Amino acid sequence: DTEVTQTPKHLVMGMTNKKSLKCEQHMGHRAMYWYKQKAKKPPELMFVYSYEKLSINESVPSRFSPECPNSSLLNLHLHALQPEDSALYLCASSRGTGATTEAFFGQGTRLTVV
Amino acid sequence: DAKTTQPNSMESNEEEPVHLPCNHSTISGTDYIHWYRQLPSQGPEYVIHGLTSNVNNRMASLAIAEDRKSSTLILHRATLRDAAVYYCILPSNAGNNRKLIWGLGTSLAVNP
Repeated sequence: DTEVTQTPKHLVMGMTNKKSLKCEQHMGHRAMYWYKQKAKKPPELMFVYSYEKLSINESVPSRFSPECPNSSLLNLHLHALQPEDSALYLCASSRGTGATTEAFFGQGTRLTVV
Repeated sequence: DAKTTQPNSMESNEEEPVHLPCNHSTISGTDYIHWYRQLPSQGPEYVIHGLTSNVNNRMASLAIAEDRKSSTLILHRATLRDAAVYYCILPSNAGNNRKLIWGLGTSLAVNP
């Protein structure tokens, strides 16, 4: 199983809503990532978890709150988002965070904030 | 952080070889060069990576210049399914973790 599964595939939320994005992998990977991708741009790293601990936060606004409940799951909690937060949110995992590590990506959650 | 420069777009014909260039003149000696691609409406997928010598796998070949300031991803026989954005990526140190710094990518169109 080399899949990273993200749910939901699409999400529309109002600026006062609270929602969560979910990501799951069963490859035994110990590093998990959240990326944000705007149209026609490369993915931008948001957070890195290594062995279930947050190791990188790329100065992401606090309205995005990551959580890693166990080694297979990664959540991104969303609260009070702005329309400019509309984007494709990608989850990825890798065996580690070393220089040669291959990352596996999910298909993403297409988020629209209205 | 080292940066990569890629052409914005390229075009190829089906069943012909494709050479996708990437410049990374500020690369450091221990940086691996990574390539990922992103098909339409999909998440990115790993293609290949290398350090100094040329690398081959089932998807592609990676030719790395002797001075390591540039590299070329080679698709030996393009298919319609290879139409994607190809990203040349270098790592950046961030404490004990290395994160990948993505270039802007090359959008490859494959003509039947």
